[in-house]
Amino acid sequence: GNSVTQMEGPVTLSEEAFLTINCTYTATGYPSLFWYVQYPGEGLQLLLKATKADDKGSNKGFEATYRKETTSFHLEKGSVQVSDSAVYFCALSDKGSGTYKYIFGTGTRLKVLA
Amino acid sequence: DVKVTQSSRYLVKRTGEKVFLECVQDMDHENMFWYRQDPGLGLRLIYFSYDVKMKEKGDIPEGYSVSREKKERFSLILESASTNQTSMYLCASSLYGGSGQETQYFGPGTRLLVL
Repeated sequence: GNSVTQMEGPVTLSEEAFLTINCTYTATGYPSLFWYVQYPGEGLQLLLKATKADDKGSNKGFEATYRKETTSFHLEKGSVQVSDSAVYFCALSDKGSGTYKYIFGTGTRLKVLA
Repeated sequence: DVKVTQSSRYLVKRTGEKVFLECVQDMDHENMFWYRQDPGLGLRLIYFSYDVKMKEKGDIPEGYSVSREKKERFSLILESASTNQTSMYLCASSLYGGSGQETQYFGPGTRLLVL
């Protein structure tokens, strides 16, 4: 079945450092890919998404490119801030019966130090 | 702004109790989902629903049931709570777009402790 694999955390960086969080997937067909973020004490919220190969999703300085050849969707940010400290989830859409459901990775905790 | 609300942020129950977790969304979304979130396991889908009175099992439905009598409300029921159901429960909703591109909107979660 379809699945998502994320790099394990926690990832600890200094402010203004470059961030990469790896995500690879296994899927039949061409799913849409998502990054969600969960700030402390909150539910998840969409960070960015890409719906087809070579699409780049971007938001709040974060970017991820849908790479079909390497089945990857790595999250990057050029300069992280303390406020980016959160848990990041990679996800893909999966056609179930009746509607699409979503498969999430295990999450990667990011801690940014001032 | 889409809003998904969950009835409780924290809940403590005893083993064997029947537990109801309620979720309400205000954006007329067709799809609703229940997940549990555990450290190292991420989010796992328990049940989802794409229409009133329709439900589909997710990856870990055992020990749970759901009810969707109205479009805006999706309830998760633990028929007889057990300690291994101690977890964070997240509700989400999305439009029924039929393309798999739809954004999911999450509630703040209910942290359930079963003693």
